[in-house]
Amino acid sequence: GQNIDQPTEMTATEGAIVQINCTYQTSGFNGLFWYQQHAGEAPTFLSYNVLDGLEEKGRFSSFLSRSKGYSYLLLKELQMKDSASYLCAVTDSNYQLIWGAGTKLIIKP
Amino acid sequence: GAVVSQHPSRVICKSGTSVKIECRSLDFQATTMFWYRQFPKQSLMLMATSNEGSKATYEQGVEKDKFLINHASLTLSTLTVTSAHPEDSSFYICSAREQGAGDTGELFFGEGSRLTVL
Repeated sequence: GQNIDQPTEMTATEGAIVQINCTYQTSGFNGLFWYQQHAGEAPTFLSYNVLDGLEEKGRFSSFLSRSKGYSYLLLKELQMKDSASYLCAVTDSNYQLIWGAGTKLIIKP
Repeated sequence: GAVVSQHPSRVICKSGTSVKIECRSLDFQATTMFWYRQFPKQSLMLMATSNEGSKATYEQGVEKDKFLINHASLTLSTLTVTSAHPEDSSFYICSAREQGAGDTGELFFGEGSRLTVL
């Protein structure tokens, strides 16, 4: 079956750095997305990786290793507003999006 | 960036009634829109893929007669929950890709609609 694994919850301190991991087992791979979702709101796009390596976008970076079925989202200089759920999603060989359950990130002052 | 508008954002209805949720792409054309539902503390679950001018493709386990989807134009898709029951209470979210963006293009999400069935 297809599976996306990410931690259920993480806690970090304002101003610090946090890494949210995502491992996947899917039938084929056509890209990996990270989305941010605040409680009660729809997800918003953060990043897209289809090739191995690190993609940096401001305070957020996303890494992909296709051979390991692994990605991480790195958040730097954490702000209170970064408290949200972070969803990892993989596009499989049929271009279907497979969603992880999300990681709830709690930022403490 | 592209904007997807969803309406209503909140709806409360009595058991047995039907509720329609609209999803509009405001500044782009979307040949395909996706409908998800999300229960508290759970991930998005794809319900169906809505294709302009043709029948929607439903995921396994989703009742097509209960969740009616109409994609009448390149900018509008509607989801109608028919004969709603309390177990249908959930957060319903639509998303769309720009026409021509390809199967791995960025998804733009509507604001979501929280349905509460009494």
